[in-house]
Amino acid sequence: GESVGLHLPTLSVQEGDNSIINCAYSNSASDYFIWYKQESGKGPQFIIDIRSNMDKRQGQRVTVLLNKTVKHLSLQIAATQPGDSAVYFCAENRDDKIIFGKGTRLHILP
Amino acid sequence: KAGVTQTPRYLIKTRGQQVTLSCSPISGHRSVSWYQQTPGQGLQFLFEYFSETQRNKGNFPGRFSGRQFSNSRSEMNVSTLELGDSALYLCASSLMGREYEQYFGPGTRLTVT
Repeated sequence: GESVGLHLPTLSVQEGDNSIINCAYSNSASDYFIWYKQESGKGPQFIIDIRSNMDKRQGQRVTVLLNKTVKHLSLQIAATQPGDSAVYFCAENRDDKIIFGKGTRLHILP
Repeated sequence: KAGVTQTPRYLIKTRGQQVTLSCSPISGHRSVSWYQQTPGQGLQFLFEYFSETQRNKGNFPGRFSGRQFSNSRSEMNVSTLELGDSALYLCASSLMGREYEQYFGPGTRLTVT
């Protein structure tokens, strides 16, 4: 079936390095793609979104890239900090529903 | 501005019982969505309410229901609880036209024994 999925369940990154979290999607009809961050014991937190007619969008320390040719979405976090430790979900807005991927856990190494 | 609040935070119920969970959205947010989160299935969409009307529904059995009040507060109900209903139930609110930008509450942890 159609779904939003993640390439890796866990990613370990050295503090200060850049993190890249990847996501593959299968439905070309989605109009928005979104990244959420969920810290332990909390609900997901909106990070950034990108419309399907865009290739790149930048926020504070984060960049989202959308490659519609290969149906691939990525989240880049610059200068990763301990506070970035969380589970990151990609999601798509399809038929007015938010469909979440399984998530990638980001570990920050000291 | 206060965030999304959910009550109760933790709940233990027995199989066959029913449960009602409550959600208060951010002031000014009229859209409220509910999600079920489990380790195996991840975050799954239950339903969305806007102006007291269910606008979207996920693939859950009829035992899962919800409603929204005129002040945008929402409740969800699960009847005839099963062990598999044990999960974190998350409520999220959003502004009209920006439903992809959801603001989540801390969730209600439901354990069914």
